[in-house]
Amino acid sequence: EVQLLESGGGLVQPGGSLRLSCAASGFTFSSYAMSWVRQAPGKGLEWVSTFGVGGVGTYYADSVKGRFTVSRDISKNTLFLQMNSLRAEDTAVYYCAKVLTPGGMVMHFDSWGQGTLVTVSS
Amino acid sequence: EIVLTQSPGTLSLSPGERATLSCRASQSVSSYLAWYQQKPGLAPRLLIYDASNRATGIPARFSGSGSGTDFTLTISSLEPEDFAVYYCQQRNMWPPLTFGGGTKVEIK
Repeated sequence: EVQLLESGGGLVQPGGSLRLSCAASGFTFSSYAMSWVRQAPGKGLEWVSTFGVGGVGTYYADSVKGRFTVSRDISKNTLFLQMNSLRAEDTAVYYCAKVLTPGGMVMHFDSWGQGTLVTVSS
Repeated sequence: EIVLTQSPGTLSLSPGERATLSCRASQSVSSYLAWYQQKPGLAPRLLIYDASNRATGIPARFSGSGSGTDFTLTISSLEPEDFAVYYCQQRNMWPPLTFGGGTKVEIK
């Protein structure tokens, strides 16, 4: 069974930093692209970032480019999101999500974590 | 950026009724559109991918259709557990991946 478990959320002041983690199990982590998707309170879903496979690289929404960095540790089956220069508008539940098929970039998400709440406020 | 517009914003129906949800793209996304269901406090769940393919474990009452710019999610007969918010998402042209604003299906 696929499991994704996010952690690292919390309250941070504007301009601060947080590092989110997503521990994955139940599938071959190295074979799948992984993404972060966020949802502001009472709002819809917003794609944030993707870590690709096969050397295709990393991708970011314009709203976070230059401030957020996605990475992964295959030895620990963990996806990370380093968030710097946080703003009030980054307040959201952050989900990690696994793409549908291995080895490619079929960017529909068939498994999601439970989410971790990031609150940016003074 | 491809903008996805979902309609209606809210759909008020009774159990057993048919639900028809629409998603319109600002430019063609071919068949690369997915539908998700989200209940309060929970993560989204993939229902349909690539316009018309049901994800694993999704009941047959959920079906998707469309291509290009116009897509439909149909729930043939609403069960009590189907009352939720539904989102569409395109993967044809990215970054960015984009989601629609959602349609809430509520009990009438």
